Amino acid sequence: AQRVTQPEKLLSVFKGAPVELKCNYSYSGSPELFWYVQYSRQRLQLLLRHISRESIKGFTADLNKGETSFHLKKPFAQEEDSAMYYCALTNNAGNMLTFGGGTRLMVKP
Amino acid sequence: GAGVSQSPSNKVTEKGKDVELRCDPISGHTALYWYRQSLGQGLEFLIYFQGNSAPDKSGLPSDRFSAERTGGSVSTLTIQRTQQEDSAVYLCASSLGRTNHNQPQHFGDGTRLSIL
Repeated sequence: AQRVTQPEKLLSVFKGAPVELKCNYSYSGSPELFWYVQYSRQRLQLLLRHISRESIKGFTADLNKGETSFHLKKPFAQEEDSAMYYCALTNNAGNMLTFGGGTRLMVKP
Repeated sequence: GAGVSQSPSNKVTEKGKDVELRCDPISGHTALYWYRQSLGQGLEFLIYFQGNSAPDKSGLPSDRFSAERTGGSVSTLTIQRTQQEDSAVYLCASSLGRTNHNQPQHFGDGTRLSIL
């Protein structure tokens, strides 16, 4: 069975501080990992995916298969980064996303 | 172009009633997914449609839940004899193809269902 764990329900940092949102997964195959974000009163939207190795809005995430982790990082948090962040993986069949419980990021001025 | 559209945005109904939730995917998207987000819970997969293939219903929590996708486009999620534990936000997503073929899922705003 596949599982995604986000150990922190809430992460509060000051503007300009580094941010790391943790995500660990369990899956027996070769997963594809994603980070989704939901800003206040907006729909859930894709932030980034490991397969693209991209940086979006200053965020990056590296898939570490040895540690089965896909932590989301940003060196300098901004107030507009405040949102709910979900880590997710898809299985080899690509027929669903399994989501973690989400982490609420609050960036204080 | 328009994103995934869901209706109604809010639905309040009495326990025991049937409800229908609608999802209009992005035009051209062959894959359609339903998820549920209960209070304090993460997103839970319910059902998946891909083209004309038989749907993957493995996430449906009980036989009171069913879904259809007519003409490969619009989908309806039906909950019969609603219970209070069905109260949740029901999210629909669509993608160009299977998610593992690098086709990300695009989500609608959801339907907030409240069972009294």
